Amino acid sequence: NAGVTQTPKFQVLKTGQSMTLQCAQDMNHNSMYWYRQDPGMGLRLIYYSASEGTTDKGEVPNGYNVSRLNKREFSLRLESAAPSQTSVYFCASPPLGLANTGELFFGEGSRLTVL
Amino acid sequence: AQSVTQLDSQVPVFEEAPVELRCNYSSSVSVYLFWYVQYPNQGLQLLLKYLSGSTLVKGINGFEAEFNKSQTSFHLRKPSVHISDTAEYFCAVSGGSNFGNEKLTFGTGTRLTIIP
Repeated sequence: NAGVTQTPKFQVLKTGQSMTLQCAQDMNHNSMYWYRQDPGMGLRLIYYSASEGTTDKGEVPNGYNVSRLNKREFSLRLESAAPSQTSVYFCASPPLGLANTGELFFGEGSRLTVL
Repeated sequence: AQSVTQLDSQVPVFEEAPVELRCNYSSSVSVYLFWYVQYPNQGLQLLLKYLSGSTLVKGINGFEAEFNKSQTSFHLRKPSVHISDTAEYFCAVSGGSNFGNEKLTFGTGTRLTIIP
């Protein structure tokens, strides 16, 4: 999954702590996405960015903020972590050279546990 | 708004037997359809996709899916499964965006377990 890189891969937080998940893509695409994956619920869109400088809410944005720092980087921040935010987080971007049909190339995921 | 239903949360299948994983979608506009696979402790990998044209789509690892517009389905099939096919499979749909940046909506996933 060299096209989308996420850090960190694992993180344990205490309730109320803050942290930022970092994502970088080298496919030179305008769009980037953050999803969370929970058992039995599939993947749900948290936030997305259609282009540098723009961000929009997805299905489950509460408790999160995002920053599209430049074309390559899209970060997800938890200001005050809650146990309900224990999840696996995936960053994604359309593959290189393709029109945006919705097809996404995913990072390897960041597993977050909030105690 | 669009949605995806994967009715089977778990499917156990004997090795070398055929398998079908079901996916139904709802959308008021034309759609693009995808199947992704997630192997244990890994990210998601595209298995196959339907954008237009032939309704029978072939993907990696011997999988295929058929787009059926009248039944709003996109079922995934493989004639003979292997142990290595043990994974979780996600159906996803996009389409209908009014600003050209499509967003994927995922089903809840089907866990395929291959029994030796």
